Amino acid sequence: DVVVTQSPLILPVTLGQPASISCRSSQSLVDRNGNTYLSWFQQRPGQSPRRLIFQVSNRDSGVPDRFSGSGSGTDFTLEISRVEAEDVAVYYCMQGSQWPMYTFGQGTKLEIK
Amino acid sequence: EAQLVETGGDLVQPGGSLRLSCATSGFSFTSFYLAWVRQAPGKGLEWVARSANENDRYVTDYAASVKGRFTISRDHSKKSVHLQMNSLRAEDTAVYYCVRESWWSYEAWGRGTLVTVSS
Repeated sequence: DVVVTQSPLILPVTLGQPASISCRSSQSLVDRNGNTYLSWFQQRPGQSPRRLIFQVSNRDSGVPDRFSGSGSGTDFTLEISRVEAEDVAVYYCMQGSQWPMYTFGQGTKLEIK
Repeated sequence: EAQLVETGGDLVQPGGSLRLSCATSGFSFTSFYLAWVRQAPGKGLEWVARSANENDRYVTDYAASVKGRFTISRDHSKKSVHLQMNSLRAEDTAVYYCVRESWWSYEAWGRGTLVTVSS
């Protein structure tokens, strides 16, 4: 199974400052067709997860452009350019390249300093 | 807009059975993979089961932790997907989310239904 590891697990950030979350996979997420299936999700307190990013860097409809995804191979990053209060949440990365066994990272809790 | 609404969560004794349902609307039921993802209290997310779309003949897959105990199925007349859970264990306690797949990812999520396995 592909193991996905996030860091940090807790991320204190000052409002208006940038934030960055790392996601590493135990093997390359590039499939035989050259596609990379790495997604990011946001789960606000008491809510269901919501997808923010798919295929490494594609933002879902309605996701603010302060969220961006990047990376390749085994190393990926979610960046928030300027953190707002509504960004307080747990963020998960997920690999979809080892089908059907999609696996999630442990989650990163973003909190305001 | 895709909508998924889960029902059926309950308190059940170890070894018991439960059937979860997910009513869908707002999209072509036959065109999408549908899956169940669970989240134990205070824990992370875990894929449980998947039903492929019509193009892929509704093939089903299961996580190793539930294979042989859980069954995913579709009811086309009601545009619903079900999760039959047998031989339940304490470690199956979780919120169960119904999700729609796209781009090898989970695009839309329901609000979840809580399953508690305890004596």
